[in-house]
Amino acid sequence: GAVVSQHPSRVICKSGTSVKIECRSLDFQATTMFWYRQFPKQSLMLMATSNEGSKATYEQGVEKDKFLINHASLTLSTLTVTSAHPEDSSFYICSARDQGGINQPQHFGDGTRLSIL
Amino acid sequence: EDQVTQSPEALRLQEGESSSLNCSYTVSGLRGLFWYRQDPGKGPEFLFTLYSAGEEKEKERLKATLTKKESFLHITAPKPEDSATYLCAVQAGYSTLTFGKGTMLLVSP
Repeated sequence: GAVVSQHPSRVICKSGTSVKIECRSLDFQATTMFWYRQFPKQSLMLMATSNEGSKATYEQGVEKDKFLINHASLTLSTLTVTSAHPEDSSFYICSARDQGGINQPQHFGDGTRLSIL
Repeated sequence: EDQVTQSPEALRLQEGESSSLNCSYTVSGLRGLFWYRQDPGKGPEFLFTLYSAGEEKEKERLKATLTKKESFLHITAPKPEDSATYLCAVQAGYSTLTFGKGTMLLVSP
């Protein structure tokens, strides 16, 4: 089945640090990848849609200068949380959709638990 | 605006006790309804896609059904390893997924 690898799984760092999270589709090519944020006992909140070779589309209220997204290839997207602060602490999850079409399901990585001290 | 409501929020079952989870949705032009399973500290794991009313899909002890207003995830004779949060999501047109808040299922031995 489709596998999405997300790295790292957990990050603990000091306030002001920038953190990069990688999302890779291992056995399929993903024209589109998605970045979500999830709070405890809450649903997934879409942050941005990442399209290979073009600028990401950010959801309303998400700061694009704060959350930098790069989708340099059909198998890799990265999310960089710049100058992270405690309020950025959360569970970040990426997903990828097979380029087979918009009806294809999204496949998710195992998430990154980000803790800013 | 697309809306997805899942019920109940939490469900506790004894091993072998069958039940159903509900996903009610409001969307203009449903393109697909997706069920995922999420274990604590992990990303969602894809289970099913349903595209049109009347469609049914099965996988082991799980069976998903779809009407024009809701979807059910039926769990037959659940086992403790079925314990997880089950998420429902809808996609309308060319938009992104809209997720419900999930149903947390706990199956006791």
